[in-house]
Amino acid sequence: DARVTQTPRDKVTEMGQEVTMRCQPILGHNTVFWYRQTMMQGLELLAYFRNRAPLDDSGMPKDRFSAEMPDATLATLKIQPSEPRDSAVYFCASAIGRDLYNEQFFGPGTRLTVL
Amino acid sequence: AQTVTQSQPEMSVQEAETVTLSCTYDTSESNYYLFWYKQPPSRQMILVIRQEAYKQQNATENRFSVNFQKAAKSFSLKISDSQLGDTAMYFCAFMSLYNQGGKLIFGQGTELSVKP
Repeated sequence: DARVTQTPRDKVTEMGQEVTMRCQPILGHNTVFWYRQTMMQGLELLAYFRNRAPLDDSGMPKDRFSAEMPDATLATLKIQPSEPRDSAVYFCASAIGRDLYNEQFFGPGTRLTVL
Repeated sequence: AQTVTQSQPEMSVQEAETVTLSCTYDTSESNYYLFWYKQPPSRQMILVIRQEAYKQQNATENRFSVNFQKAAKSFSLKISDSQLGDTAMYFCAFMSLYNQGGKLIFGQGTELSVKP
């Protein structure tokens, strides 16, 4: 049963610390998305990649956030330094091919709490 | 910019009954995709149903169907024979065809409770 995996599932950290969230897309999926979910803003896209190349990261605060795909099986989202307003659930999703209609499969999310 | 509005923050329905969740969107484009996602308490986002704007026929997936009114920019979800497992947050989402990556724009969600 192919699925997107994310680690850690939950993370509590203190303000100013670096946070790294990892995502393993479904094998063979070449498009990876990072979404953030908060009560105030809802679900919003932070960045996405196709074939490991960033297509759009306009939703991401550039000064503290960075997203990369070191290889086709791993996507990372880093926050440095973290702030309390970064507290949210971060979802990774993957999709196959160039057809936009293809389903995006979501991971279980990482719940980040910044104290 | 496109926006998606779900005007019902919460809804409840008795088991086995039918419920309709509302969604409206704003766009100047003529071709696009629309989706309904379900997020149960486990927080896993699951695709429920999708619709291509250039198809007039409403999409159906078992107990789930949509009422797509393109002129009114409305995309409601009907759940028939509601089951306890349908209890979840439901998100309506829009995707532009002129966006090369497939960016989903979500509504604020409707929390659905199915009562026994």
